[in-house]
Amino acid sequence: QITLKESGPPLVKPTQTLTLTCTVSGFSLGTIGVGVGWIRQPPGKALEWLGAIYWDDDKQYTPSLKNRLTITKDTSKNHVVLTMTNMDPVDTATYYCARRLRVWTVSRNSYWNFDFWGRGTLVTVTS
Amino acid sequence: DIQMTQSPSSLSASVGDRVTITCRASQSISTYLNWYQVQPGKAPKVLIYAASILQSGVPSRFTGSGSGTDFTLTISSLQPEDFATYFCQQSDRTPLTFGGGTKVEI
Repeated sequence: QITLKESGPPLVKPTQTLTLTCTVSGFSLGTIGVGVGWIRQPPGKALEWLGAIYWDDDKQYTPSLKNRLTITKDTSKNHVVLTMTNMDPVDTATYYCARRLRVWTVSRNSYWNFDFWGRGTLVTVTS
Repeated sequence: DIQMTQSPSSLSASVGDRVTITCRASQSISTYLNWYQVQPGKAPKVLIYAASILQSGVPSRFTGSGSGTDFTLTISSLQPEDFATYFCQQSDRTPLTFGGGTKVEI
């Protein structure tokens, strides 16, 4: 059974650094074609992709937040960690981690999708 | 960045209704389009990937279609557990981007 679970502080003060951990089970972070992404959803708003890390330690970040984000993984501990610096009230959101899987179709095309998600963790930025 | 525009932003429907949600990309994304269902307090769920392929375990009342810039998610007969917010997402290139969401209400 594949699960992902986000953990971290529910409250953060402005200018502080947020650290969230995604603990995965049921698959290995070292499996070829697998990554873990971070996505957030401010209250009442749309989903926003933040970044992802892959089996080979390749990393991607959304350009608008690239200077504030760091994603790392510890394959032996089944952990993926998101660090976001200089938090602001606009960063208040539910933060999700999700497995990003490459799927091959019968036509030999490959497609990526977030096939398993955690339930998310609400982070509120307030002084 | 590729902009994803969904319509409508919300709709009211009844159990048994046929519901259609559209998603438009700001440039061609071939069939690199996924659909997700988000419900409060639950883990989001992928419904459709590659524009039209039903994710394993998802009921067949969900169908996806389209390619290029225009895509559709259809629920053929709305069930009580389908009341949720639906998002499209392009996976053609980074940054990955989502549509604004469509809230399906009773």
